[in-house]
Amino acid sequence: EAQVTQNPRYLITVTGKKLTVTCSQNMNHEYMSWYRQDPGLGLRQIYYSMNVEVTDKGDVPEGYKVSRKEKRNFPLILESPSPNQTSLYFCASSLQVGSNEQFFGPGTRLTVL
Amino acid sequence: GESVGLHLPTLSVQEGDNSIINCAYSNSASDYFIWYKQESGKGPQFIIDIRSNMDKRQGQRVTVLLNKTVKHLSLQIAATQPGDSAVYFCAEKGSGGSNYKLTFGKGTLLTVNP
Repeated sequence: EAQVTQNPRYLITVTGKKLTVTCSQNMNHEYMSWYRQDPGLGLRQIYYSMNVEVTDKGDVPEGYKVSRKEKRNFPLILESPSPNQTSLYFCASSLQVGSNEQFFGPGTRLTVL
Repeated sequence: GESVGLHLPTLSVQEGDNSIINCAYSNSASDYFIWYKQESGKGPQFIIDIRSNMDKRQGQRVTVLLNKTVKHLSLQIAATQPGDSAVYFCAEKGSGGSNYKLTFGKGTLLTVNP
């Protein structure tokens, strides 16, 4: 089944403890992106990647890192999480850069205490 | 600055009625406008898009209208069903060097009453 998977789906952690949220797609998509969703703010882009080894900042990149070593994987790294990073995170991918249709993962709900 | 917003944060309709979800935008240079649906507990899902040089586009039970004069976008859902209950996001896509980026609005919650 063609899909975007994220792990974990739920995570409660403490301030300063490094964590990684994995994202994988099996559709050979070129473009991948991370968003955070907060009440009243909609979806905001954190980082995106146009291809392997090509990543760039979105609108809210502070406190996050990403990597794209393989086409299928695009992990989101929080080196030192803080409570303001408590949010619902979505990974998305699209066949090509500039595609209107992005395929979203199921989301990861992160709570930082 | 650039923004994509919504007139109504919530909309409640009766099953079988038509629904209209509205969206205002401010970036006249956007190349495409797109609607996504997010069901509870899931990620957003693409519904339909419309290019900026069009006024109307129809899909299955959905119609997108674009009014560039007043920078307004709407999504019409015909014969709304309980399965249409979700949050609906409008998004705009930049043109040229920004054509990779989607900017999402804040969403409208549609509730369909049986």
